[in-house]
Amino acid sequence: GAVVSQHPSRVICKSGTSVKIECRSLDFQATTMFWYRQFPKKSLMLMATSNEGSKATYEQGVEKDKFLINHASLTLSTLTVTSAHPEDSSFYICSARVISGSLVSVDEQFFGPGTRLTVL
Amino acid sequence: AQSVTQLGSHVSVSEGALVLLRCNYSSSVPPYLFWYVQYPNQGLQLLLKYTTGATLVKGINGFEAEFKKSETSFHLTKPSAHMSDAAEYFCAVSLRGGADGLTFGKGTHLIIQP
Repeated sequence: GAVVSQHPSRVICKSGTSVKIECRSLDFQATTMFWYRQFPKKSLMLMATSNEGSKATYEQGVEKDKFLINHASLTLSTLTVTSAHPEDSSFYICSARVISGSLVSVDEQFFGPGTRLTVL
Repeated sequence: AQSVTQLGSHVSVSEGALVLLRCNYSSSVPPYLFWYVQYPNQGLQLLLKYTTGATLVKGINGFEAEFKKSETSFHLTKPSAHMSDAAEYFCAVSLRGGADGLTFGKGTHLIIQP
């Protein structure tokens, strides 16, 4: 249990276009999902906290108009990188917080496999 | 605010030797502490976590970590390294467990020498 998927796993786009990344909790409900960004050979930086049915909370320095987050259901959050530029190229990882049931701890986040974005 | 410091961006050990990856944290309240492992081009996998209770925490793949409040440390150890342990390891802290986004250290790349 507690599987989180991301789609796509890799995406290459032209500068100026928008890219949508999906994060799904496959076998549990998640009121809260988190989006992280990982630069090459560096750590993960929390970008925003996504709560189902409400606006996302962005970390300081993250442009909310550039990184649009939607958490429309208890199993899906999306991150849209708008007007992407080469400096947005990165590895984007989501995680989901377990809120109920099954065999997993409720004090834990489960991470997706990540999406590698390359902007040309 | 909380922070995490991982000493050593790269650690190299021989196969069969002790693995020790260091993590120190700062937090204004009792923290939740985590160790994650990341293999190339993959997401993070939880190795172990400390929430409350026993300070010595055992995780998967033979890893364990000890929470030492007086030293604000949560070092990761494994008695005998295996080639498959080669990966990037991240220490992380949060104030409310899964309810908060995690603050990660910069990571330690573990190299296993044959």
